[in-house]
Amino acid sequence: QSALTQPASVSGSPGQSITISCTGTNSDIGHYNYVSWYQQRPGKAPKLIIYDVNNRPSGISNRFSGSKSGNTASLTISGLQAEDEADYYCSSYTSVSTVVFGGGTKVTVL
Amino acid sequence: QVQVVESGGGVVQPGRSLRLSCVASGFTFSGFGMHWVRQAPGKGLEWVAATSFHGSDQYYADSLKGRFTISRDNSKNTLYLQMNSLRAEDTAIYYCGRDRVWLRDYKYHDLDVWGQGTTVTVSS
Repeated sequence: QSALTQPASVSGSPGQSITISCTGTNSDIGHYNYVSWYQQRPGKAPKLIIYDVNNRPSGISNRFSGSKSGNTASLTISGLQAEDEADYYCSSYTSVSTVVFGGGTKVTVL
Repeated sequence: QVQVVESGGGVVQPGRSLRLSCVASGFTFSGFGMHWVRQAPGKGLEWVAATSFHGSDQYYADSLKGRFTISRDNSKNTLYLQMNSLRAEDTAIYYCGRDRVWLRDYKYHDLDVWGQGTTVTVSS
């Protein structure tokens, strides 16, 4: 199972919106609405911020939103803040009952 | 509070074995599927394995099947990862994580509670 494809880096100024893409195949993203997004700050464990494409766990800011079209999922961060600077990973359930992660995207707040 | 704490990491020679443990607290461990995820130095996340809440079903990344075994002891609130025939490329931080949904019996796919990880270094 190949990793999902994410851009290596995305940047934006405070207050702007950015979008991170995550491209898979018909065997993962395209087949299930089981896409998750995780935020990982340096030296810390990942944190779930979006599950099942577009749902936020309790306590996660509504500035984070998710969507999906075909084999590509997206994470949008609106009203970008300095604290959003981190690595972001997408993941998806797959047709062989496994989970596959994306390669990760480093978000930089300019 | 809800937490999981990993242990058992260390430095091990290539070809040797190691068993990681993950102790859960603050929630009903026996009601949640559990995962192992690893992260090589400076690299991204890689899903390793998952087990059902009852422990009867196990799922593995294709690249690791046959060398790693996930198991759990619900009486001890503990998840395990037995790693055999270790290779240099297994060097990573190994995270234990809780599957998000209570009593989900299939399609384990998202982790809402993560430990801080335990570091495994495979080197001669």
